[in-house]
Amino acid sequence: GAVVSQHPSWVICKSGTSVKIECRSLDFQATTMFWYRQFPKQSLMLMATSNEGSKATYEQGVEKDKFLINHASLTLSTLTVTSAHPEDSSFYICSAASIMDTEAFFGQGTRLTVV
Amino acid sequence: AQKVTQAQTEISVVEKEDVTLDCVYETRDTTYYLFWYKQPPSGELVFLIRRNSFDEQNEISGRYSWNFQKSTSSFNFTITASQVVDSAVYFCALSVGETSGSRLTFGEGTQLTVNP
Repeated sequence: GAVVSQHPSWVICKSGTSVKIECRSLDFQATTMFWYRQFPKQSLMLMATSNEGSKATYEQGVEKDKFLINHASLTLSTLTVTSAHPEDSSFYICSAASIMDTEAFFGQGTRLTVV
Repeated sequence: AQKVTQAQTEISVVEKEDVTLDCVYETRDTTYYLFWYKQPPSGELVFLIRRNSFDEQNEISGRYSWNFQKSTSSFNFTITASQVVDSAVYFCALSVGETSGSRLTFGEGTQLTVNP
């Protein structure tokens, strides 16, 4: 299967700071990328969908000004958690799909801890 | 709207036992895809299977098998002769539309513990 690399795999930051998470498709062009969030012992919930070159579409209840998504190229999407608070501590995972593909491939995930 | 239900929150078995993880889905779309993923403690999602709505054939892959029944909207997963390494959270997921490379709706997950 195709490879999606997510970085960093874990990060600890202070409350009030911003954190950027990168999601890269290494061997294919990702026209669409998805960002999911998973709180401990819970399921994965879609936060937003981004298409290359256009604004992301956010799910209901997700603050677009807090979770900034940029999908500037066909191989890179970034999620920036702005002014992070302890309640933003979670596991964030991206997936990427190409227009030619019939499957979305997941990155390894990023465990964010806000202290 | 789509929904995936995994009624079993936790299952505990002894090694070598067979175990079935249940998954029931809801969608009004006639074209959709169903998935199973394994999530070990490290967190990454390990893809296990994808099945489209037009293919009701059951599938076997080693110790894993899947039973897809549209009549009951179920896509159950059986592990035969379970091993300690099978311990993980397993998610069933659904995507709708003609390509499966779209947004996924996940079930709540089933924590499987296989004891030696």
